Amino acid sequence: QPQLQASGPGLVKPSETLSLTCTVSGDSINNGNYYWGWIRQPPGKGLEWVGNIYSSGLTYYNPSLESRTSISVDTSKNQFFLRLKSVTAADTGVYFCARGNVWKSPWVWGQGTLAAVSS
Amino acid sequence: DIQMTQFPSFVSASVGDRVTITCRASQTIEDWVAWFQQSPGKAPKTVMYRASTLENGVPVRFSGSGSGTEFTLTIDTLQPEDFATYYCQQYKSFPWTFGQGTRVDIK
Repeated sequence: QPQLQASGPGLVKPSETLSLTCTVSGDSINNGNYYWGWIRQPPGKGLEWVGNIYSSGLTYYNPSLESRTSISVDTSKNQFFLRLKSVTAADTGVYFCARGNVWKSPWVWGQGTLAAVSS
Repeated sequence: DIQMTQFPSFVSASVGDRVTITCRASQTIEDWVAWFQQSPGKAPKTVMYRASTLENGVPVRFSGSGSGTEFTLTIDTLQPEDFATYYCQQYKSFPWTFGQGTRVDIK
C-alpha cells in the first residue's frame, strides 16, 4: 500500500490562497492505473470531495469549488498539490489526500492536514 | 448532482450486535458506491467498494449490498473497534458525493 502524507501551512488568512502538498511514497504518481484526489472535512462535519487528477493530466473538480481550485502534479518529486484561492472561514477543515483506482477501491487514504482560515 | 441520503444518522449498539446502515441515491448509480469507516481524529478507511467488494484486510463481518439507488452496509457481531462513523460515497458521476454519515456508538 502506498503512503500519502498531506502537508500545508496550517493557518491561512482570509482571501489568500491555500496551498497543500501530498507526498506519495511506495508508489509512482506516474502509474497510469491510478488517480489522485483531495477530500476535505470541516470541523465536526462530513466529507466533501474536492477534486481528482488523472495520469493523463485530466482534472475534475467539485463545481462548488471549481472556480477557486487547481490540482497539479510534480512527477519528479512524486507529489501532487491543491491550490484553493480566495479562502474564507468556510474552507477551514482537514484536507485528506488519497489515491484511487478506477476498477478497484476509489480511495486509499492518506493522513490529512488541518487548514485553518483566520486573520 | 447525485444526492446520497444516509440513515440512520446515529446508532447505539452493543458489542455482538448486528448493525445495518443504508444509503439511498437520488438517481441510479449501478454499484458505484463505497463505504468508509472513520474513527475520531483519524483519516477515513475504505471498508467496501463497488457496493459489495470488501477492501483488503477488512474483516468479513462487514458486508455490503445493493445496486441502483439503495445500498446497505451491514456489520455482523459488532466489535469494539467498529464503533466509529461510517460514510457512503457515490463515484458513478462527478461531482462525487458523500452521505451525511452514521455514527455507531456504544450502548
